[in-house]
This record gives sequence, structure tokens and C-alpha cells, in this order.
Amino acid sequence: DSGVTQTPKHLITATGQRVTLRCSPRSGDLSVYWYQQSLDQGLQFLIQYYNGEERAKGNILERFSAQQFPDLHSELNLSSLELGDSALYFCASSAGITHYGYTFGSGTRLTVV
Amino acid sequence: AQSVSQHNHHVILSEAASLELGCNYSYGGTVNLFWYVQYPGQHLQLLLKYFSGDPLVKGIKGFEAEFIKSKFSFNLRKPSVQWSDTAEYFCAVNAGQGNLIFGKGTKLSVKP
Repeated sequence: DSGVTQTPKHLITATGQRVTLRCSPRSGDLSVYWYQQSLDQGLQFLIQYYNGEERAKGNILERFSAQQFPDLHSELNLSSLELGDSALYFCASSAGITHYGYTFGSGTRLTVV
Repeated sequence: AQSVSQHNHHVILSEAASLELGCNYSYGGTVNLFWYVQYPGQHLQLLLKYFSGDPLVKGIKGFEAEFIKSKFSFNLRKPSVQWSDTAEYFCAVNAGQGNLIFGKGTKLSVKP
């Protein structure tokens, strides 16, 4: 157990639907990062939050959004889902804005059918 | 934009063989470099990291990596692999921004 908790572990949904992925960072960590891992694209950075505020944005689609709540947990919302959104979604956390190595969660495997 | 290249997609070795996985990055300034490992069905775990100082970095489980600035490389090595090293290995760079840029990964299969 890395200390970063992601739920759910698996999610199967239909095209056009909307889902929410949840991440609780390791205790004491203020930064949360979201990554998408697919076979063809590898690990793609989506977005970073630090203490409730968006800090950096990567290759995140407009159909995707995220937020970090006062208790520091984060949610990644994926809407109008397409088959190509099927992937592993990882959350990672670190203590500060910059870091000395992330701690990753176990991921949520999203399958869009 | 920064990028990370891992040249080997899949490496197959026998137990006790030596391992070297290549990693090159593109960024001319100061970088922090990382190797992560992902065992089958598990999350990514930090193997080792380089920030400054001795370019030869030792990590967990007998792994080490050497930072060669002139070659923009950070290759991962292990003198003698074990079956339990079967996993996917990711090189990553932090070039000043908060997030890490990952390579596409190298799958290592170790035959017993």
C-alpha cells in the first residue's frame, strides 16, 4: 500500500457517459497529479493540483476536468466518453509543488464499451 | 518541449544476465531524473532518482543509474537480474515544472 488511494479500481461504462475517478493523496502531501496510461501513448500527464489550486496542465482533453477539495482529495471527471478513453488512470501525490519523487496510487482501469 | 526516449520496448534476459536500459531526455537545462518500476498489476514505484552530485546513483533492489550530462542520458543498470525483476521500467524527467515527463517504458522479461 503506497498511501495513495484510488477508487474505483475498475470501471466499465458506455460511450457518451460520464464518470468520476477519486484519489486520496498520501497523508501530508499537498500536490496531486493525474496521469493517463495507454498502450500507444504511454504515461501522459493530465493535470496537477496543489493545495486546492490548479498548478499545471498537460494533455488533458476539454471533456475532462478535475478538482482538489479542501480535504485534499481529488476527483477526475471524464465526460462524453469515447472508446479511446479506455486506459489506466493514475493519481500520484507529493509533498510540495515540486517534488522529490511521486507516490503513485494503484490506478483506475477504465473500459469504455 | 521536454521529452524522454526509452529505446528498448521489450528486453528479454535470462536470470543472472546483466541489464542496461537506455534513457535519453531532451532538455538543455538542469534536470531531475527518475526511474520507476511497475510490477505486473501494481502501481509505479520509485527505483532511484538523481538531483545533483555523484552522477552514479544507487537505488533499491541492486539497481543503479548513471547520469551522463553530455549525452543527455540516464541509463539504468543491474549486474545480475532475477526472475522477480520482470516488470516495466519507466524513465522520467522533471525539468523545473511540477510534473514528471515519462518515457514510454521498457518491458523486461527475465527467464528463470
